[in-house]
Amino acid sequence: DIQMTQSPSTLSASVGDRVTITCRASQSISSWLAWYQQKPGKAPKLLIYKASSLESGVPSRFSGSGSGTEFTLTISSLQPDDFATYYCQQYNSYWLTFGPGTKVDIK
Amino acid sequence: QVQLVESGGGVVQPGRSLRLSCAASGFTFSSYGMHWVRQAPGKGLEWVAVIWYDGSNKYYADSVKGRFTISRDNSKNTLYLQMNSLRAEDTAVYYCARARSGALRPQAFDIWGQGTMVTVSS
Repeated sequence: DIQMTQSPSTLSASVGDRVTITCRASQSISSWLAWYQQKPGKAPKLLIYKASSLESGVPSRFSGSGSGTEFTLTISSLQPDDFATYYCQQYNSYWLTFGPGTKVDIK
Repeated sequence: QVQLVESGGGVVQPGRSLRLSCAASGFTFSSYGMHWVRQAPGKGLEWVAVIWYDGSNKYYADSVKGRFTISRDNSKNTLYLQMNSLRAEDTAVYYCARARSGALRPQAFDIWGQGTMVTVSS
């Protein structure tokens, strides 16, 4: 199975900051990567699919890039609603796997 | 609106069984692959199982293979997860989620339910 790692595990930032989260796969997954945002007690929300495609309704301050084994999620200007945990997920093949998550909290 | 609503969670003793349901509305359920994903308390997300749009193919995580069965009834717009031989480590919030497109290859999950809690404890 494909293992996913994320860095950092926790990120402290301020409103207006540019934030970047990195996700790495243990083997090439082409562009079959998604990013999700999860707030406490809520279901995850799809932000990005196929590494760089923005899901409908998601603010344009979110962007994704990468292919192969290394990927990034960037929030261009952090907003109060963005404080949450972010997960990457590979869907190159079944069995699907998620990264361990990156918690973005208030500095 | 497009919606998934899980039910059937609760407290169950180790070794017993439980069946979860996920009622879909607002979209053509029979056109989409569907997944179960779980999240243990304070932990990350773990994919559990997938079933193709027509029920013809199913895949499972190794951690549940042989114990859990995913199924669907397209006439009732409902997804199921039959969980047998439950263990303490199966304790989690269980989410159903829709594959983003009807394509047969794996997809990202664009619609999620609110989750149902399963606690396995004596």
